[in-house]
This record gives sequence, structure tokens and C-alpha cells, in this order.
Amino acid sequence: DGGITQSPKYLFRKEGQNVTLSCEQNLNHDAMYWYRQDPGQGLRLIYYSQIVNDFQKGDIAEGYSVSREKKESFPLTVTSAQKNPTAFYLCASSNDGHTGTQYFGPGTRLLVL
Amino acid sequence: AQSVTQLDSHVSVSEGTPVLLRCNYSSSYSPSLFWYVQHPNKGLQLLLKYTSAATLVKGINGFEAEFKKSETSFHLTKPSAHMSDAAEYFCVVSPPYGGATNKLIFGTGTLLAVQP
Repeated sequence: DGGITQSPKYLFRKEGQNVTLSCEQNLNHDAMYWYRQDPGQGLRLIYYSQIVNDFQKGDIAEGYSVSREKKESFPLTVTSAQKNPTAFYLCASSNDGHTGTQYFGPGTRLLVL
Repeated sequence: AQSVTQLDSHVSVSEGTPVLLRCNYSSSYSPSLFWYVQHPNKGLQLLLKYTSAATLVKGINGFEAEFKKSETSFHLTKPSAHMSDAAEYFCVVSPPYGGATNKLIFGTGTLLAVQP
């Protein structure tokens, strides 16, 4: 069953804590992306990676970090420097260099205690 | 620079009546255009995409969209709404031939309500 999985579905963060969101894909896609979704704002790009061991900042990278050690995995860490982390986080992947079509995972909702 | 504007934040229709969700884009070259649907607390699902082939694009679940360059529009339509169509819909633009670094530009979404 091919696709993109994200875990956990819900995540709670305490003050000053770093938390890591998981994103895995078995589509053999080269590129992976992390987005943040807030009500009424559409999706904003946090980080993206075109290839293993390489990644670039998106529009709102401050307070976040990523790694890309394996093609199928692109975890996102929300650090304590991110002062407003409550949001819905979506991971996507793509292998379509012509149209840029991206396919999305089910999302993780991060809440602050 | 590219941008996309969804003209309605909320649309309400009755079951069995037509659906029209409006999207205008701005791009200095012929873009790729997409419609995605998102059900509550779910990821985004690709409904359809325009990639400079046929201007009338058919998607899943009976949806279609027409690319009109003269009007810079890419409106989403469906002849007859179903209760399961209630969701948020995003119009998205991307430059062509940009490789996997294509930064998708998302509209702010249109919330579709379907009344019984």
C-alpha cells in the first residue's frame, strides 16, 4: 500500500520542549516538503528537500529543523524557539519535475500544553 | 511573481445542485494549476491538475475545472453536489519546469457546505 504516513496524529508539547514529527513515504519520491497550516491562511512552506542529505529553508523555517538521512524519511523537529507551534503540520512528496505535483500525508496536529 | 486568489471563503449549496468554486491566478508564464480537497483533520487530496494540455480538466469525484488564460481563472465545478463533497478546497499554482523545488503557492481555501 503506497503512500505517505505521518505520526503521531496528535502531539502535545510542553513549554521549552522540542518535539519531532515523523514523515515516511514509500513512493520512491526524491523531494519531500513540510507545511504548516493555520486557519484561514492556507499552507506555508517550512522546509523542503530535493535529495538525501540536502534540504532548504522555506518561507517560515525559524524555530524548526529537519534532517534527510534516508530517501523515505523527512522528520521535522519543532524546537522551543518556535513560540507559536500550535498548528496542523502536513508532509508532502513529489517526483514530478515538470508540473511539481505534490502528494500529501494525513497530517499531525500539534497542541501546546 | 505568482499568486492565487480564491474569491469565496465560504460556499453553501443544496445537495443535487451545481457547485462553483472560483479561483483566479497571476503568473508571468503558463503555470501548472491544481485543485486539492481537504476533509476535516485530514491531509490534502489531489482533485485535478492543469499542465498546459487540454484546457478542460476532469478530476475525481465528478469535478472538473477549465483553464481560461484570457480571464486568468481556473474555476472548479461539479454538476450535482453530494453530501460527501463538504470539505475545504484549495486552488494552487506552480511554475512549470521548475523541478522538484517548485514552490506551490496555495490559495486561502474555500469551505464548501452542502445542505440536505
